[in-house]
Amino acid sequence: KAGVTQTPRYLIKTRGQQVTLSCSPISGHRSVSWYQQTPGQGLQFLFEYFSETQRNKGNFPGRFSGRQFSNSRSEMNVSTLELGDSALYLCASRVGTGTYEQYFGPGTRLTVT
Amino acid sequence: GQQLNQSPQSMFIQEGEDVSMNCTSSSIFNTWLWYKQDPGEGPVLLIALYKAGELTSNGRLTAQFGITRKDSFLNISASIPSDVGIYFCAGLYAGGTSYGKLTFGQGTILTVHP
Repeated sequence: KAGVTQTPRYLIKTRGQQVTLSCSPISGHRSVSWYQQTPGQGLQFLFEYFSETQRNKGNFPGRFSGRQFSNSRSEMNVSTLELGDSALYLCASRVGTGTYEQYFGPGTRLTVT
Repeated sequence: GQQLNQSPQSMFIQEGEDVSMNCTSSSIFNTWLWYKQDPGEGPVLLIALYKAGELTSNGRLTAQFGITRKDSFLNISASIPSDVGIYFCAGLYAGGTSYGKLTFGQGTILTVHP
């Protein structure tokens, strides 16, 4: 099976812009979670989607949003980018019921200038 | 909120040595996961633990779910250069509205000298 894929791998944006990141889960996985990784804060949970519904959300401002499509692919959007949003954004997928093993994609490295 | 303390923060060892690291939590978890992350890549799942007291191996890696459900341990035996990387523990409380929210430790940076 193909692993979790994320596009793009690298992005450079300017402060104030918005950005959309994409994640394709492992085939058959219905749950997608997003995490932000920074040197200072480590890995922080953003939100989780299952069957197109957001089931859980971390402590991030409303500028961070996401959605999931019927084929389980997910996107996350960050509006009005700030310098502090520079990070590695990781997507993880799991089957969705019965097990909690999450499999991560390679991440999208976002740099805000 | 839940806090995970992972130690040590870094380790410098010789090839062939054994390694131990652990995570402790202020809250109970009912799932513990251990990951390894290489530079520029996403974390790779090494071991999953679901029961208090459970001991699980994956090759040279052995992990244990603490009986208090507030801690977990990872051991690597006979380390080799490709073990270099950052190791993370992650806990999950599968109840209420937690669903897929993993709480991560700060990571242990492992360096192996040939």
